[in-house]
Amino acid sequence: EAQVTQNPRYLITVTGKKLTVTCSQNMNHEYMSWYRQDPGLGLRQIYYSMNVEVTDKGDVPEGYKVSRKEKRNFPLILESPSPNQTSLYFCASSSVASGSYEQYFGPGTRLTVT
Amino acid sequence: DAKTTQPPSMDCAEGRAANLPCNHSTISGNEYVYWYRQIHSQGPQYIIHGLKNNETNEMASLIITEDRKSSTLILPHATLRDTAVYYCIPHRRSSASKIIFGSGTRLSIRP
Repeated sequence: EAQVTQNPRYLITVTGKKLTVTCSQNMNHEYMSWYRQDPGLGLRQIYYSMNVEVTDKGDVPEGYKVSRKEKRNFPLILESPSPNQTSLYFCASSSVASGSYEQYFGPGTRLTVT
Repeated sequence: DAKTTQPPSMDCAEGRAANLPCNHSTISGNEYVYWYRQIHSQGPQYIIHGLKNNETNEMASLIITEDRKSSTLILPHATLRDTAVYYCIPHRRSSASKIIFGSGTRLSIRP
């Protein structure tokens, strides 16, 4: 089944403790992206990647890192999480080669930083 | 990037057609209109997209006006499972182009 998976789905952590949220897709998509969703602010893009080893900042990149060493994986790294990074996070992927660009989203990771 | 205007909320009776409007008067010639929906706090789901011709798939129909300044997403026979927030998003088909989600329309389907 074609899908985008994220792990963990729920995470409660403390300020300053490094964490990684994994994202994997099995559709051989070139493009991958991370979003965060906050009440009243909608979905905002954090980082995106157009292909392996190619990443770029979205609208709200501060406090986050990403890497794209393999086509299928696009982890989101919070080196020193803070309470303002408490949010619902979504990973997405899309095909560039097919020319359609519709994005497929993962189920979300609900992060709480205390 | 084009700005969009969507009604914040709508409701529709189950079994009827739900017609969701979107105004994108500043859309540029190379921007497609994409529609997504988000059911509760699940990941957004792609519905349909188009450039200037009307489009139909198994989920919905998309009607784009001739001047491309507005579009309407049609769910032909709405069910309770169609209750969601619907987003209309102009988007250039380039991998470097961001997808910008606005506030969308909260569609409620009543039994």
